[in-house]
Amino acid sequence: GNSVTQMEGPVTLSEEAFLTINCTYTATGYPSLFWYVQYPGEGLQLLLKATKADDKGSNKGFEATYRKETTSFHLEKGSVQVSDSAVYFCALSGGSNYKLTFGKGTLLTVNP
Amino acid sequence: EAGVAQSPRYKIIEKRQSVAFWCNPISGHATLYWYQQILGQGPKLLIQFQNNGVVDDSQLPKDRFSAERLKGVDSTLKIQPAKLEDSAVYLCASSSPRRNVREQYFGPGTRLTVT
Repeated sequence: GNSVTQMEGPVTLSEEAFLTINCTYTATGYPSLFWYVQYPGEGLQLLLKATKADDKGSNKGFEATYRKETTSFHLEKGSVQVSDSAVYFCALSGGSNYKLTFGKGTLLTVNP
Repeated sequence: EAGVAQSPRYKIIEKRQSVAFWCNPISGHATLYWYQQILGQGPKLLIQFQNNGVVDDSQLPKDRFSAERLKGVDSTLKIQPAKLEDSAVYLCASSSPRRNVREQYFGPGTRLTVT
């Protein structure tokens, strides 16, 4: 079956530091890949997505590239801000019912 | 457009009691999902509806959980009787079948505490 493995946290960075959160997946066929973000007390928000190999998703300074050869979708940001503190979830969507399979989430804390 | 609405936002009950959660999806979204998110884990799909029909309920504990979407719009998820391990955030999401990728849009969730 489908599965997602992402870097365990928590991750603590200083403001303006470089961020990488690793994500690898196992899936049959050609899934779509997503990063969702969950701010404290809120629901999940779609951060970015990629639907095919070599696609790069980007939003709010965050980027991730769909790498089929390494089955990875690592999240990066060049300079994090305090407001980026949240839990980040990697997910894939595949199969006939487009079901989402999530990783366990990575808590990011950015200190001023 | 209005997002996915859920109520209540918080609920505390004792074990063996029953509880119900309500979800109103984004207007026009035919697909509705209920997820369970236990603290420290990613969301897990409980049930998926397409209009008012069930597409996937393979991970729904059917001895205690039930869900319905009678008119293909609002949905209710019920737990009866609740157990301590049901403490979690219950997330509702919706998507439109017109979009190939079927991005899912999530509500704020209902945080359930079973004591």
